[in-house]
Amino acid sequence: DQQVKQNSPSLSVQEGRISILNCDYTNSMFDYFLWYKKYPAEGPTFLISISSIKDKNEDGRFTVFLNKSAKHLSLHIVPSQPGDSAVYFCAASLTGNQFYFGTGTSLTVIP
Amino acid sequence: DSGVTQTPKHLITATGQRVTLRCSPRSGDLSVYWYQQSLDQGLQFLIQYYNGEERAKGNILERFSAQQFPDLHSELNLSSLELGDSALYFCASSVLAGAEDTGELFFGEGSRLTVL
Repeated sequence: DQQVKQNSPSLSVQEGRISILNCDYTNSMFDYFLWYKKYPAEGPTFLISISSIKDKNEDGRFTVFLNKSAKHLSLHIVPSQPGDSAVYFCAASLTGNQFYFGTGTSLTVIP
Repeated sequence: DSGVTQTPKHLITATGQRVTLRCSPRSGDLSVYWYQQSLDQGLQFLIQYYNGEERAKGNILERFSAQQFPDLHSELNLSSLELGDSALYFCASSVLAGAEDTGELFFGEGSRLTVL
């Protein structure tokens, strides 16, 4: 039972444009949401997070939006850079214990 | 470098065999998580240990077991291996402070298991 879903396996964006990665979840009890970035042959690294009491969190070029009523999470990267090319995983947790990850979206930023 | 160390990085073995994957968490982290990533799959949560005790269990098969030792390193034991167990196994660690965990996990580079 996949509680966190990323329905787009891949995304290609031109350098300088906005990248929007989407994530849906099923469990309304999730209270913390995160995005991780993964390069080949490396482990995932934390990118940005958001608590369920917020609807937006921004960190430089990265902004995460949370729509609790729609159970939807999105990551905006603007402007996109070639170095952003990686697999992005969204994750959701219950009080910081179990973390449920999506299947990932492979982002390619074209120079 | 996340500070989480996993060994071995690569492992090739045969069906029916048993292997042990090892994880050393970041210094000071009390919690260790194990995840499995199969081809085209997300990170499937297997199990979590906190300060030596099992904290949460996910989709971990009965053929798999794990433990966390007093020095906080953890081992994931996979037995009676099947072809479908071939995957990348990640260990992650975090600091837990009751229910106020930051939610950030620090991942190792993974152990790639190939079962032939």
